Amino acid sequence: EVQLVDSGGGLVQPGRSLRLSCSGTGFRFADYAMAWVRQAPGKDLEWVGFIRANTYGGTTEYAASVRGRFTISRDDSKGVAYLQMNSLKTEDTAVYFCTASFGYKNSLGYWGQGTLLTVSS
Amino acid sequence: DIVMTQSPDSLAVSLGERATINCKSSQTILYSSNNKNYLAWYQHKPGLPPKLLISWASTRESGVPDRFSGSGSGTDFSLTISSLQAEDVAIYYCQQFYTTPWTFGQGTKVEVK
Repeated sequence: EVQLVDSGGGLVQPGRSLRLSCSGTGFRFADYAMAWVRQAPGKDLEWVGFIRANTYGGTTEYAASVRGRFTISRDDSKGVAYLQMNSLKTEDTAVYFCTASFGYKNSLGYWGQGTLLTVSS
Repeated sequence: DIVMTQSPDSLAVSLGERATINCKSSQTILYSSNNKNYLAWYQHKPGLPPKLLISWASTRESGVPDRFSGSGSGTDFSLTISSLQAEDVAIYYCQQFYTTPWTFGQGTKVEVK
């Protein structure tokens, strides 16, 4: 059974950092791009960024709203992806979903249950 | 950025009736080299993560009921639920993965009339 378990959310003050984790099992983790999608309260889904499979260079791309502050990484040996979030802003408050996308360009086939990040003083 | 615009924002349909959601992209998401449309549809129910229903504009995912179908090409797409069931009440999103930033439509809320 495919499972993505995302964790690490919580309450953080503006300007601080936090790292989310995403553990994937039941599929060939290394073959998938790992992406993060967030949904702020009452808002639409927003793509945050992804890291490609190492087969495709393991490169990353980010939404403009988080570029330079957020970093996505992966450890295929552990089947885990990370979202390092620095210089957090109140507008980063959202449920963050870890997702997996097969190959180079594909839809988001697998989703984690989501983890809530609240940025507030 | 490619803007994805869905219509309508909400839709109330009687059980057993057809529901159709439209999605328009601000530029083509058809890759001419492989003739594939880089569009997906997701179903999102409260308290759950979104679920992939359809990839490549019209390819239904394994396990998705055949009452769900996707169509369209280029910039205009549709998701049709041929016979609405109570469990289909959700918000539906289209998303393009043609180019980054990947973008979603604003969502269409489907309810039972």
